[in-house]
Amino acid sequence: EDQVTQSPEALRLQEGESSSLNCSYTVSGLRGLFWYRQDPGKGPEFLFTLYSAGEEKEKERLKATLTKKESFLHITAPKPEDSATYLCAVHAGGTSYGKLTFGQGTILTVHP
Amino acid sequence: GAGVSQSPSNKVTEKGKDVELRCDPISGHTALYWYRQRLGQGLEFLIYFQGNSAPDKSGLPSDRFSAERTGGSVSTLTIQRTQQEDSAVYLCASSLAWGSYNEQFFGPGTRLTVL
Repeated sequence: EDQVTQSPEALRLQEGESSSLNCSYTVSGLRGLFWYRQDPGKGPEFLFTLYSAGEEKEKERLKATLTKKESFLHITAPKPEDSATYLCAVHAGGTSYGKLTFGQGTILTVHP
Repeated sequence: GAGVSQSPSNKVTEKGKDVELRCDPISGHTALYWYRQRLGQGLEFLIYFQGNSAPDKSGLPSDRFSAERTGGSVSTLTIQRTQQEDSAVYLCASSLAWGSYNEQFFGPGTRLTVL
């Protein structure tokens, strides 16, 4: 069974204090790993897709990396507007038709 | 350019009643997904549509849950004889086609509360 575990469950940072969120996964044949951002009362917003170990992608203050067992979302010099829940999800091989298996999320709070 | 829309945004119902939740995907998107998100939890896959057919219903929790899609567009998720454990946010997503090369775009969700 595909499993995704995110840590920490919650992270509180001061503005400008860089840190990383972790996503560990166990899947049979990874097709893609996805990062989403979710604001309260809204649906998840797509951030990145990573397909193979060693791949990295960046967007503003966010950088996502992928190994064979985990992914990291690095946040550099965060701002209060980066506060949100960050969700990690995997698309596994087989007959999953693109359905995503999600982790429980990391709640990030950035204080000014 | 409209995104994925869902209605109603909030639904409060009494235990035992039936409810219908609606999803309008992005125009031209052939793949449509329903997920459920319980409070403080990640998203849980329910069902996937390709066009009007549902090749993967593996996430539907019980036979009280059903879904259909018509005209390759609008989808309806129906929950019969609702139970308190059905309380959650129901999210719909669409993508251009199935597979990991096609990112899923999510709607705002329908918050269902069963009293």
